[in-house]
Amino acid sequence: SAVISQKPSRDICQRGTSLTIQCQVDSQVTMMFWYRQQPGQSLTLIATANQGSEATYESGFVIDKFPISRPNLTFSTLTVSNMSPEDSSIYLCSARYNYGYTFGSGTRLTVV
Amino acid sequence: AQTVTQSQPEMSVQEAETVTLSCTYDTSESDYYLFWYKQPPSRQMILVIRQEAYKQQNATENRFSVNFQKAAKSFSLKISDSQLGDAAMYFCAFSQGGSEKLVFGKGTKLTVNP
Repeated sequence: SAVISQKPSRDICQRGTSLTIQCQVDSQVTMMFWYRQQPGQSLTLIATANQGSEATYESGFVIDKFPISRPNLTFSTLTVSNMSPEDSSIYLCSARYNYGYTFGSGTRLTVV
Repeated sequence: AQTVTQSQPEMSVQEAETVTLSCTYDTSESDYYLFWYKQPPSRQMILVIRQEAYKQQNATENRFSVNFQKAAKSFSLKISDSQLGDAAMYFCAFSQGGSEKLVFGKGTKLTVNP
């Protein structure tokens, strides 16, 4: 299966600032996904990122708040912009491979 | 829209015993995939098992097996000979066509008692 390296694993940020999360896949994948997970809760899809096209955002998520880049078939970034304490959560990236979906290890974000 | 329902927020099992986690889903599509993922406290999502909707045979992976009832839209996970390392959150997930986004249930927290 594909392996995803996600960075950073955790961060504490000041409100009003931005954080960029990176995911590197060890093989080429067409589709990548970004999720948000509150502790003890399920995963909520933020957006789907295909290489060479604009990301597709789910209801309740907008590009100005969560800009995504997908420059090639092995890499993607998610930026959490103008952060507030409500953005404190775990963020995970995911990629589709031939057998299923693989996930990064997550980024625990705390906004103070 | 597809939905996935896990009706058991928490379950517990004695070590070496068997436990079944429930999952139902709703879709009008015929081509889809179902998954069970395990998430231990480390946060890493681990694929436990997957089932293609077109396959009648239930998937099995070592101690993990599913009971896939397509007409009832039910997809339960059975864990046999439970081990302490099986303790985790378990998420049932649905993917239309196998290439689309995953839709997750709310999860079931499994505790394994020694």
